[in-house]
Amino acid sequence: AQSVAQPEDQVNVAEGNPLTVKCTYSVSGNPYLFWYVQYPNRGLQFLLKYITGDNLVKGSYGFEAEFNKSQTSFHLKKPSALVSDSALYFCAVKGHDMRFGAGTRLTVKP
Amino acid sequence: ETGVTQTPRHLVMGMTNKKSLKCEQHLGHNAMYWYKQSAKKPLELMFVYSLEERVENNSVPSRFSPECPNSSHLFLHLHTLQPEDSALYLCASSPLWGTGTGELFFGEGSRLTVL
Repeated sequence: AQSVAQPEDQVNVAEGNPLTVKCTYSVSGNPYLFWYVQYPNRGLQFLLKYITGDNLVKGSYGFEAEFNKSQTSFHLKKPSALVSDSALYFCAVKGHDMRFGAGTRLTVKP
Repeated sequence: ETGVTQTPRHLVMGMTNKKSLKCEQHLGHNAMYWYKQSAKKPLELMFVYSLEERVENNSVPSRFSPECPNSSHLFLHLHTLQPEDSALYLCASSPLWGTGTGELFFGEGSRLTVL
């Protein structure tokens, strides 16, 4: 079965610092991995995805993610965090359906 | 605009009420989904419809009844719910179900409170 895990419930960073939100996956076959963001009282918005090819994937709002096959990880990163990046972030894996992790709440402090 | 519209955005109901959640997508997609989002839990996939046929029902209690009258509309009928059913219910769509690598497009959710 396909699954993802987000080991951190909460990540706090200072504005301007780099941020990382962690995700590990467990799949049979080639992984199709996604990141979504959810702002308060909103639905989930797609950020980026890894299907094949370059291990560094670039997405919306300056976010990027690094696919690491040997570590079965797909961490979300941004070089310089903004206060407006504060939100709930979900990692997901697609088999027949999209399966999500429990989410990581990112708080960026001024 | 996400292209997926959910109504109502907020709903409060008693345990003996019957209500429905509505989802409409304007993206020409063939698959539609209901997810349940509870605090500090992974999103739970409830139902999947592909080309208006139900293709997944993930052990959801019968007090939740989905309906997909056409490829643009999806309903979730609610009756005799329990307080633990209080959650954010998210509708999503995608071009295809099963195969394909496309992302899901989500509505903004219906916040349900069961008293």
